[in-house]
Amino acid sequence: AQSVSQHNHHVILSEAASLELGCNYSYGGTVNLFWYVQYPGQHLQLLLKYFSGDPLVKGIKGFEAEFIKSKFSFNLRKPSVQWSDTAEYFCAVIGRNDYKLSFGAGTTVTVRA
Amino acid sequence: NAGVTQTPKFQVLKTGQSMTLQCAQDMNHNSMYWYRQDPGMGLRLIYYSASEGTTDKGEVPNGYNVSRLNKREFSLRLESAAPSQTSVYFCASNYPGQRDSPLHFGNGTRLTVT
Repeated sequence: AQSVSQHNHHVILSEAASLELGCNYSYGGTVNLFWYVQYPGQHLQLLLKYFSGDPLVKGIKGFEAEFIKSKFSFNLRKPSVQWSDTAEYFCAVIGRNDYKLSFGAGTTVTVRA
Repeated sequence: NAGVTQTPKFQVLKTGQSMTLQCAQDMNHNSMYWYRQDPGMGLRLIYYSASEGTTDKGEVPNGYNVSRLNKREFSLRLESAAPSQTSVYFCASNYPGQRDSPLHFGNGTRLTVT
């Protein structure tokens, strides 16, 4: 069975600081990878996705993620965060021929002005 | 274009009561899903419907039933609510056959069982 592990439960940082959220997965086959963001009181929205090709993926709002196949990782990064990036971030993985998207437990990011 | 619409937004039930959560999507997606979100546990799949006329269990199906009424609608029923079912429920949909088809989520239903 596939599983997703997010390293940090809660991250607190100041505006303009750099952000990196860790994500590791386990799955015995080819996967598609996603990062979703949930702003306070809202539903989940897609931040970025990886299916194939360039392992460095750029998403919305200045976020990017790097797929390292050998490490089964898909870490999310942003060079300079803003207060509006305060949200919960979820890593998710699905097998190429599967229907079941598995989510990590989520990382709450609090950005202080 | 409303996307994925869930009703109700909030609900309080007493233990043993039943209720149905409604979900509809207007994106002509083939597949629909019900997740529950609990603190520190991320989202867990309850049931999904790969296509109209089919439903399958996810990670945590016990205590729930689903109905794929048509291509647009996918409902989740709690026959006898328990406090452990207090959670936020999200419906989602997508085209799983397309490689770049992420899930589109509804706004969620916050359910409290007392």
